[in-house]
Amino acid sequence: DTAVSQTPKYLVTQMGNDKSIKCEQNLGHDTMYWYKQDSKKFLKIMFSYNNKELIINETVPNRFSPKSPDKAHLNLHINSLELGDSAVYFCASFGQGYGYTFGSGTRLTVV
Amino acid sequence: AQSVSQHNHHVILSEAASLELGCNYSYGGTVNLFWYVQYPGQHLQLLLKYFSGDPLVKGIKGFEAEFIKSKFSFNLRKPSVQWSDTAEYFCATSNFGNEKLTFGTGTRLTIIP
Repeated sequence: DTAVSQTPKYLVTQMGNDKSIKCEQNLGHDTMYWYKQDSKKFLKIMFSYNNKELIINETVPNRFSPKSPDKAHLNLHINSLELGDSAVYFCASFGQGYGYTFGSGTRLTVV
Repeated sequence: AQSVSQHNHHVILSEAASLELGCNYSYGGTVNLFWYVQYPGQHLQLLLKYFSGDPLVKGIKGFEAEFIKSKFSFNLRKPSVQWSDTAEYFCATSNFGNEKLTFGTGTRLTIIP
């Protein structure tokens, strides 16, 4: 069973569109994250949720809106996509004493 | 704010050579330290982690890292690399009570057969 699963794996879309990426974890962890990896491989945190509550919101445009319907799911919705949003987006979960587990990533390409 | 520095951007080694990748962090309090590996086109995998205790940490695939508090360092080592170690390596830190991971900029490791 995949511990942290993201869908879709690849997403190609036009500028201006709205898209969502879904993430689910079956580890029972309370905390989930979205990270962005840019073209230079740099990884930066975007959001963190603990038990459905937003706890970290880094400097991210308002076009990005995370949603956590329950503690096992953290989705990322992006409005009005721009070329600069092209990146790989990783979902992760954290469990005390267990550490972090990352999903396999969603490669978003905006054309 | 925490920061992590990886000074080696791209390292090229021959198979069987010894490896040491540098990692320095800035936070002065209690920190958790991690090394992750990202094989081409794949997600991040944990190589090893340090929370407390023995500063010499053994990880998977023959990797180890040493936490030197006085130097704010957590360098990754492997005595003999293989071609399959070609990947991107990320050092990361989080401070106790704040589980946000802060990553270094990564080191690309290329192993020549």
